[in-house]
Amino acid sequence: DTGVSQNPRHKITKRGQNVTFRCDPISEHNRLYWYRQTLGQGPEFLTYFQNEAQLEKSRLLSDRFSAERPKGSFSTLEIQRTEQGDSAMYLCALTTPDSSEQFFGPGTRLTVL
Amino acid sequence: TQLLEQSPQFLSIQEGENLTVYCNSSSVFSSLQWYRQEPGEGPVLLVTVVTGGEVKKLKRLTFQFGDARKDSSLHITAAQTGDTGLYLCAGAHAGGTSYGKLTFGQGTILTVHP
Repeated sequence: DTGVSQNPRHKITKRGQNVTFRCDPISEHNRLYWYRQTLGQGPEFLTYFQNEAQLEKSRLLSDRFSAERPKGSFSTLEIQRTEQGDSAMYLCALTTPDSSEQFFGPGTRLTVL
Repeated sequence: TQLLEQSPQFLSIQEGENLTVYCNSSSVFSSLQWYRQEPGEGPVLLVTVVTGGEVKKLKRLTFQFGDARKDSSLHITAAQTGDTGLYLCAGAHAGGTSYGKLTFGQGTILTVHP
């Protein structure tokens, strides 16, 4: 148990629909990261938060993607007008304040038909 | 852009054999981490190496960090079927707004046959 839960674990949607994923840390962590991983590849950084502040966004994060961490605890990642190329595993990870070691959630597997 | 090249991409071996996975960077990261991932799950941290020349052992796994802190290797002795999985190296960024962000290699898919 890494102390991170993600919901839903699986999401199947039709192209053009909006989807929202949620990441819940069990305890307080001040930095929260989102990554995207396609089959057989390493995760790619999308964005990260320090407390409520979104400090960096990857170029991978098009304007159809938005992430929030309203109270500095849980976070949501929304994809609007999904495309087939959005199909991937979306991973959330947390770190403790003085470390770069990341603890990953189980991920949300998105399939866009 | 800091990149991590991992090799080999695929490794298929028999139980009991030894293997080595390599991770090479174009530049220096503040630390290098190795993760193992099983299908349908998130990566799980195995080890972090920080100091050039560092060697860490975790049971049958030996991790080395190059003197210049730009390359690392993972060696598994007497592989078991339970070692099957995706092995990922990741470099941690040092400072500024990218602090703690990880850049991952493309991964090595290891299959250990009984």
